[in-house]
Amino acid sequence: DTGVSQNPRHKITKRGQNVTFRCDPISEHNRLYWYRQTLGQGPEFLTYFQNEAQLEKSRLLSDRFSAERPKGSFSTLEIQRTEQGDSAMYLCASSLASGPVGYTFGSGTRLTVV
Amino acid sequence: AQSVTQLDSQVPVFEEAPVELRCNYSSSVSVYLFWYVQYPNQGLQLLLKYLSGSTLVESINGFEAEFNKSQTSFHLRKPSVHISDTAEYFCAVSSTGTASKLTFGTGTRLQVTL
Repeated sequence: DTGVSQNPRHKITKRGQNVTFRCDPISEHNRLYWYRQTLGQGPEFLTYFQNEAQLEKSRLLSDRFSAERPKGSFSTLEIQRTEQGDSAMYLCASSLASGPVGYTFGSGTRLTVV
Repeated sequence: AQSVTQLDSQVPVFEEAPVELRCNYSSSVSVYLFWYVQYPNQGLQLLLKYLSGSTLVESINGFEAEFNKSQTSFHLRKPSVHISDTAEYFCAVSSTGTASKLTFGTGTRLQVTL
């Protein structure tokens, strides 16, 4: 078990470009979560999946954001037409049991929009 | 909805001194409480959690936190800190009902010096 893996670790993009991040959860975990952490702030919930179903989305997840988890395995988070305000650390977590009692976080993808 | 307040953004302390990191929460429903630690350029690691039962919970590396329902607090303490404890510490809460997402505080930077 290698834990939760996120790629890439860092991404620098120009404003207006699209970016996609990938998260590979712990293999037996059926829940997968995305959080965003801006400088000096705690992580903020974006969305979560149980298997392939997206069960909840935060109002923070604007129309430019889309997340998928095909076949209930890895997940992708895409941001279209990036803005400077999208610069943040994007964290993925997974859990076996329902809820955050058994969360394991990945190391995150740091996005910088220039 | 829940919220978490970590009043201290930074706590400087000398090595081997005791430390307390404060956390207060607000919720209209029953909650689970968590402390996470984040080292530079890494994801969050669970330090300890309160789910039910004894209000005093301990971690394997000497930290402890006490759930105080009347004070709506979950302060983190360690009787003697080490240089290696230097990190960002986040308090988080989730409702016991949905238990699907965490609400984090803004974090406290613990800086341990010789």
